[in-house]
Amino acid sequence: DTGVSQDPRHKITKRGQNVTFRCDPISEHNRLYWYRQTLGQGPEFLTYFQNEAQLEKSRLLSDRFSAERPKGSFSTLEIQRTEQGDSAMYLCASSLAYYEQYFGPGTRLTVT
Amino acid sequence: ILNVEQSPQSLHVQEGDSTNFTCSFPSSNFYALHWYRWETAKSPEALFVMTLNGDEKKKGRISATLNTKEGYSYLYIKGSQPEDSATYLCASQEDSSYKLIFGSGTRLLVRP
Repeated sequence: DTGVSQDPRHKITKRGQNVTFRCDPISEHNRLYWYRQTLGQGPEFLTYFQNEAQLEKSRLLSDRFSAERPKGSFSTLEIQRTEQGDSAMYLCASSLAYYEQYFGPGTRLTVT
Repeated sequence: ILNVEQSPQSLHVQEGDSTNFTCSFPSSNFYALHWYRWETAKSPEALFVMTLNGDEKKKGRISATLNTKEGYSYLYIKGSQPEDSATYLCASQEDSSYKLIFGSGTRLLVRP
């Protein structure tokens, strides 16, 4: 049973560096989502893809954040010039049906 | 209610106790209510997706109810076991939107 996978699981970086995370969705799922969870809060929506098209972006996704999904398969989330406030768990989810989303284990980012 | 709210924030129970949590969500433009269980270092696991007022769903010792008119859902765990220890998240989904709006979760610890 191949679920949603994310890489890396943990990332420690210095403030000002760029980081990139990868998400591999369940193979037949055409929808892919990114969420961010900070301590004590629930996950917050960042962005959504249907196939390779990015259809919705949250206002949380500043200009330093960019997400891509080339060829409608895996997705990458890049954060440029990281700040301490970017420290969080970054979760990826995928779905086939309109409402059932399956999550990966997340990438925990620590910005020092 | 403008946000998704969960209570209590945390709960410590003894093995064998039954317990329940509450999720409150905006009742306008409602489409679906999701419950997830999230164990440390694992992916959030989907428990239930409910869409209809009065829906009741059950999975083993866990069950959930939904009231869309007043905007709340209850999650029940009968005879809690240590392996039930996790954070339980609920998320609301509005009509015509793919994104999930999460509450902050209820952290359950079941003592043996």
